[in-house]
Amino acid sequence: SYELTQPPSVSVSPGQTARITCSGDALPKQYAYWYQQKPGQAPVLVIYKDSERPSGIPERFSGSSSGTTVTLTISGVQAEDEADYYCQSADSSGTYIFGGGTKLTVL
Amino acid sequence: EVQLLESGGGLVQPGGSLRLSCAASRFTFGSYAMNWVRQAPGKGLEWVSAVSASGGNTYYADSVKGRFTISRDNSKNTLYLQMNSLRAEDTAVYYCAKDLGGYFGSWGQGTLVTVSS
Repeated sequence: SYELTQPPSVSVSPGQTARITCSGDALPKQYAYWYQQKPGQAPVLVIYKDSERPSGIPERFSGSSSGTTVTLTISGVQAEDEADYYCQSADSSGTYIFGGGTKLTVL
Repeated sequence: EVQLLESGGGLVQPGGSLRLSCAASRFTFGSYAMNWVRQAPGKGLEWVSAVSASGGNTYYADSVKGRFTISRDNSKNTLYLQMNSLRAEDTAVYYCAKDLGGYFGSWGQGTLVTVSS
C-alpha cells in the first residue's frame, strides 16, 4: 500500500488563506477526500472527489489537484475552522488510506 | 439526517475479544457499503475494515487482518466488528462510517475500546 503525506501543522491569521497539502503517488489515479475533525467530535467530510463540496460546507472550503499533490484551501479563515484536517484516498485493492493529519491553528 | 450509533466498546485484557455494533437509521442501510475507522488516543485516523452492501465482500487493513471480522445484518440495519486477539495497539475510538463510493459521507460518534491489563 502507499502513503499520503501531510504537513503536521499549518498556522494562519483570521481572514487569511490556509493551504493544506497531501501528497501520494496514487493521487493522479485516485480521487482525494478531505475531512475536518474538531476535538472530541467525529470527522466531517468537507471535500470529495478532489474538489467537490458537500452541501452545508461553506464556500470558503475548496480543493484542487495537481499531479501527486492535492490541496485543501480555506479562504478567509475563521476561528471556527481551527481543527485537524485529514486527506483520504483509496488504492487499487479496494482499501482506504488516510494522511497523517494536519493541525490548523488560527492565530 | 443519517444516524449511526456505535456500541460495545469497553475495557478488555490483551488477548481478549470484543464485538462492536453500529445501529443505522434514516437511510436505506442495505444499499450502502459500510466501514470501521479507528483513532488511537492523540493519533490520526486509520481505516480498519469495509463490507459491501450485501455483505458478500469484506476488506481489512493489514494491521487487523486475521483478527477482526466485519459483518452486517441488513434486516436489523446493524453493522458489526468482531475483534479477537486484541492488543494494546488496538486501543482507540472506533467509528462506523457510511461509504459513498470510496469515501465516508457520514460518521457515528464512536465507541472507545481500551486494551489493557
